[in-house]
Amino acid sequence: NQMTQSPSTLSASVGDRVTITCRASQSVSRWLAWYQQKPGRAPNLLIYKVSILENGVPSRFSGSGSGTEFTLTISSLEPDDFGTYYCQQYNSYSPWTFGQGTKVEIK
Amino acid sequence: EVQLVESGGGLVKPGGSLRLSCKASEFTFSTYNMNWVRQAPGKGLEWVASITSDSNYIDYADSVKGRFTISRDNAENSLYLQMNSLRAEDTAVYYCARHGSWGQGTLVTVSS
Repeated sequence: NQMTQSPSTLSASVGDRVTITCRASQSVSRWLAWYQQKPGRAPNLLIYKVSILENGVPSRFSGSGSGTEFTLTISSLEPDDFGTYYCQQYNSYSPWTFGQGTKVEIK
Repeated sequence: EVQLVESGGGLVKPGGSLRLSCKASEFTFSTYNMNWVRQAPGKGLEWVASITSDSNYIDYADSVKGRFTISRDNAENSLYLQMNSLRAEDTAVYYCARHGSWGQGTLVTVSS
């Protein structure tokens, strides 16, 4: 199941609303997660089951979608939100697959 | 807090072998499916292998099938990845992961 993210990179200003899209080649039901990765660090879970915020993740992050099309939204970009964001499908009965990543830069 | 600590990475020549280990703590390791995921320098995340909680089902990425072996020891709360016939393209940071929690990674460099 191939996951395709867009855009590959984006540059936005503090306070901007940012949206990242992830498309699956076949339905992942609700087994869709979003990770943030900072340079030199392991990925950090932000959202799982499409829209459930992981404990401790700021409420400016939200996820939506169903089936094959999903979005991660940052309602008001903060300086600490730089990094690369990955979508992931994690159906127990098939291998994990990841999007190619979206690099977010702060203008 | 869930802890996953990888070890065993290093520099190895093409064709060589390496065994990675991942020590788990602060959760019931024996009830979780586990995975290895790698990230080549400057690249994205690539799933490598997975193993069910009871080791009854194992799966590999095509890129490592026949060369890598995933295993676990639930009594020792440990996950392993035996890597044989290593190639330059296997150079990456290797992460041990369960859903939602990842280790810090261990770097494997394959170079002559």
